Amino acid sequence: DGGITQSPKYLFRKEGQNVTLSCEQNLNHDAMYWYRQDPGQGLRLIYYSQIVNDFQKGDIAEGYSVSREKKESFPLTVTSAQKNPTAFYLCASSIRKEGLSYEQYFGPGTRLTVT
Amino acid sequence: DAKTTQPPSMDCAEGRAANLPCNHSTISGNEYVYWYRQIHSQGPQYIIHGLKNNETNEMASLIITEDRKSSTLILPHATLRDTAVYYCIVRVAGSGGSNYKLTFGKGTLLTVNP
Repeated sequence: DGGITQSPKYLFRKEGQNVTLSCEQNLNHDAMYWYRQDPGQGLRLIYYSQIVNDFQKGDIAEGYSVSREKKESFPLTVTSAQKNPTAFYLCASSIRKEGLSYEQYFGPGTRLTVT
Repeated sequence: DAKTTQPPSMDCAEGRAANLPCNHSTISGNEYVYWYRQIHSQGPQYIIHGLKNNETNEMASLIITEDRKSSTLILPHATLRDTAVYYCIVRVAGSGGSNYKLTFGKGTLLTVNP
């Protein structure tokens, strides 16, 4: 059963703590992405990775970090430097052919609450 | 990516066809029309995409006008589980450089009623 898994579904943290969100895919996709969604808003790109051991900042990378050591995994760390970390976090992946990335498939999301 | 305009909300009776419109009058020749949907508190789900020919898959049909300035997503037999926000996005099919992100607008909230 192929797809993208994100865990946990709900996550609660105290302010000042770093937290890592998991994203795993078994679709054999080269490209992976992290988005953030706030209530009633669209998606904003945090980081993306086109191949293993390479990643780039998106529009709102400040306060976040990622790694891409394996093709199937793209974990996101929300650091204490992120001013407003409470949000719905979505991971996505896409195929990549001849240097171009195609339609993105999303995981179920992780809802992070920081108090 | 070209801008799209969708109605904020629509209602549909269960079992009937749901026709969701999208205007994209500034679409470029190499831009595709993509549709995604997001059920409450879940990740967006890819539905279908097309360039200029009508497309159909197991989820929906996509009708694109001849001038490509508008399109309609058709769910042939809507069910309660189709209640979601539907997003119409216009973008180049293969994105290179920094154009990787998906830009979701407000979308259309489709409510399927029993």
